[in-house]
Amino acid sequence: AQSVAQPEDQVNVAEGNPLTVKCTYSVSGNPYLFWYVQYPNRGLQFLLKYITGDNLVKGSYGFEAEFNKSQTSFHLKKPSALVSDSALYFCAVRDDSYNTDKLIFGTGTRLQVFP
Amino acid sequence: GAGVSQSPSNKVTEKGKDVELRCDPISGHTALYWYRQSLGQGLEFLIYFQGNSAPDKSGLPSDRFSAERTGGSVSTLTIQRTQQEDSAVYLCASSLAGRGFNEQFFGPGTRLTVL
Repeated sequence: AQSVAQPEDQVNVAEGNPLTVKCTYSVSGNPYLFWYVQYPNRGLQFLLKYITGDNLVKGSYGFEAEFNKSQTSFHLKKPSALVSDSALYFCAVRDDSYNTDKLIFGTGTRLQVFP
Repeated sequence: GAGVSQSPSNKVTEKGKDVELRCDPISGHTALYWYRQSLGQGLEFLIYFQGNSAPDKSGLPSDRFSAERTGGSVSTLTIQRTQQEDSAVYLCASSLAGRGFNEQFFGPGTRLTVL
């Protein structure tokens, strides 16, 4: 079965400091991994994805994520946080062994960046 | 270009009434998804349409929920005999031909409140 875990409900970080939002997954086949961000009263926006290739994926707004197969993780990172990064972040996975394109989402992590 | 649109943006209804929620996907996107986001919860997959294939209905929580997609474009999610636990934000997303690795583009959602 496919599943995604985001172990932290909230992450607090000071502006200018590096941030990490954690995500681990469980799949039967190979994973397709995604990060989305949800700003208040807005829909979800795509940030980045890992399909294959380089384990370090770069995305929008300076975010990046590292795919680690041995640890089944896909943590979201940014070298220097901005107050405007404060939002709800979702990790999602698709298992390529299933004949469906549905995504399984984590429960979300609220990122709060303090000035 | 235009993104995914959903209507209405808000819907308040009485318990036991039927509701219809509409989604207009991005033009040219053949895959369409419905999710539900409850307060404090992640995104719950409901149903997925891909072209002319039979939809993946594995996430529909009960037989009160149904969805259709007419002409491979607009989709309607219908909830019959609404219950208070149906209160949530219903999100629609679309993507290019389902290949598993295409990111999904989300609409702003319909906030459903069942009194």
